[in-house]
Amino acid sequence: GQNIDQPTEMTATEGAIVQINCTYQTSGFNGLFWYQQHAGEAPTFLSYNVLDGLEEKGRFSSFLSRSKGYSYLLLKELQMKDSASYLCAVLDSNYQLIWGAGTKLIIKP
Amino acid sequence: DAMVIQNPRYQVTQFGKPVTLSCSQTLNHNVMYWYQQKSSQAPKLLFHYYDKDFNNEADTPDNFQSRRPNTSFCFLDIRSPGLGDAAMYLCATSRDREADEQYFGPGTRLTVT
Repeated sequence: GQNIDQPTEMTATEGAIVQINCTYQTSGFNGLFWYQQHAGEAPTFLSYNVLDGLEEKGRFSSFLSRSKGYSYLLLKELQMKDSASYLCAVLDSNYQLIWGAGTKLIIKP
Repeated sequence: DAMVIQNPRYQVTQFGKPVTLSCSQTLNHNVMYWYQQKSSQAPKLLFHYYDKDFNNEADTPDNFQSRRPNTSFCFLDIRSPGLGDAAMYLCATSRDREADEQYFGPGTRLTVT
């Protein structure tokens, strides 16, 4: 079966750095997405990785290792507004998006 | 400048009473998706349209139907809602099916009484 694993919940302090991990087992791979979802709202796109390595976009960076079936989302200089769920999703060989359940990130002052 | 619009944002229906949720997009994207998302769970794809080509997920109950009369609009019909159908329903679009980010509407939260 296809599977995406992420921690259920993480807590971090305002101004700090946090890394949210995602491991996946899918039938084929055509890229990995990270989405941010605030409570009661729709997901919004953060990043897309298809090649190994680190993609940096402002305070957010996303890393991919295809051989390890592993990705992480790195958030720097955390702000209170970063409190949200972060969803990892993998595009499989049929171009179907397989979603993780999301990691709820709680930011404390 | 809303890109994916869903109406209504909140919908209350009675057990067994048909309900229709609507989605429209101003992006002229080829693909439209309907997801069901329950609290603290991953979005679950119900079906998607690639242009007019309808793709139903194998485990989507027959109770759920969809229509896409034109590029801009897509509807989700729930023929006989049960209590277990209470959820957030998300509409999304993408330019194409391959490796394109999905743009989500704000969602419709469905309550079944």
